This record gives sequence, structure tokens and C-alpha cells, in this order.
Amino acid sequence: EAGVVQSPRYKIIEKKQPVAFWCNPISGHNTLYWYRQNLGQGPELLIRYENEEAVDDSQLPKDRFSAERLKGVDSTLKIQPAELGDSAVYLCASSPGTGGRGNTGELFFGEGSRLTVL
Amino acid sequence: DAKTTQPPSMDCAEGRAANLPCNHSTISGNEYVYWYRQIHSQGPQYIIHGLKNNETNEMASLIITEDRKSSTLILPHATLRDTAVYYCIVRVDSWGKLQFGAGTQVVVTP
Repeated sequence: EAGVVQSPRYKIIEKKQPVAFWCNPISGHNTLYWYRQNLGQGPELLIRYENEEAVDDSQLPKDRFSAERLKGVDSTLKIQPAELGDSAVYLCASSPGTGGRGNTGELFFGEGSRLTVL
Repeated sequence: DAKTTQPPSMDCAEGRAANLPCNHSTISGNEYVYWYRQIHSQGPQYIIHGLKNNETNEMASLIITEDRKSSTLILPHATLRDTAVYYCIVRVDSWGKLQFGAGTQVVVTP
């Protein structure tokens, strides 16, 4: 079974340029997460989707960040314009969804997209 | 969600047991203890979780104290591939927010 797929794996851009990251979750997983991980720190939740609805975007910097999950499957995270402080690894994760018998609440993470802003 | 405290780093000899401590003194009755690990350049990976009872799976064992204010993750026979950052997280139910701290950097040496 394929895991969470993210692209690109690496991206280098100059500040003020736009950038987009794509995530394809595990088939059948209703819940999708975007995390940001700065160097030497743990991942920080940016946004969580239940199907196509963003149910927690309180940590998403809405002035420059946007995300969408059309049709409740794959998702795109965009930054426009990028700033130097946006350099980080952007992680996507998915899980089967809330509740349900035997649902351990395990999140399955992709390998991440490493962004460098020059 | 309750905050957790972990040592920033620890070393372990290959083949020996690694015991990773975690303090969560403000944990609530409905909060679970989750452990994830992150190998370099990879996304975090789920290890184990528990509420009150000790738990064991093919990767590790989780020992939770009776008052639930602390727990220990045990890797019974550490290998070089267990070198990673280990995160202890407390979380409300299986769909509560998963908030990562800084974790413990574990280095397994030959």
C-alpha cells in the first residue's frame, strides 16, 4: 500500500516568490494534516482537514499561506510571497478519520518537502 | 493538551534496552500518551500509545505510572536504526490535536 506522497521533495526559491506543495494521502483517509518543522524543533500543526473541510486552521498564517483540499483527496499548500523565515520542512500526514472502532489515532506522515528561501 | 517534558538527548549501546522517560504531570483523565519517532530526513512514525495500562507491540513497550504523571518508552534491544528523535505527546482521544515538543535525540552506538 502506498504511503503519503509529497512533492516536491526539495525546493529552493528567492524571497517574495510563490511556492506550492502537493500531498496525496493514503487512499481512504478522510483526515489530512499539514505541519511545518523548523530546524531542531518538532513539527507544528498548520491546518487539519476532515474531507474537504478545514476544521482547524488556527495556526495557519493566513496573510501569506493558503491551503485547499478539493474533492477531499489530495491537497495543496501555497505560500505567496515566501519570506526567509518560511525555510522549513513542510510535512503532510493523513489518518483514517475521527472515531471508529479500533481507530488508534495514528497519523501517517509523508517524507516532507524541504523549502529553502534565499 | 498537557505539556510533556523529555530529556534533550540520550545515548544507548546497541543491543541494550533504551529507556526513554517523559513527564506529563498535568495530564487529564481523558488524555492518552502517544510516542512517535523521527529518523533523519523522514516524517514522524507512530510507535505506541496508551491511557492507563502498560502497552507492548512489536516496536516497543510503554510503561505508564499509576498516577499517570510520567511514562517510559522502552526499546528492548536497541539497534543502530533506532537512532532518531523520539516524541512523547499527550492527546485527547484518538482524534485530538497532535502537538509535538522538541523530543529526545537518541543515538545508538555500536
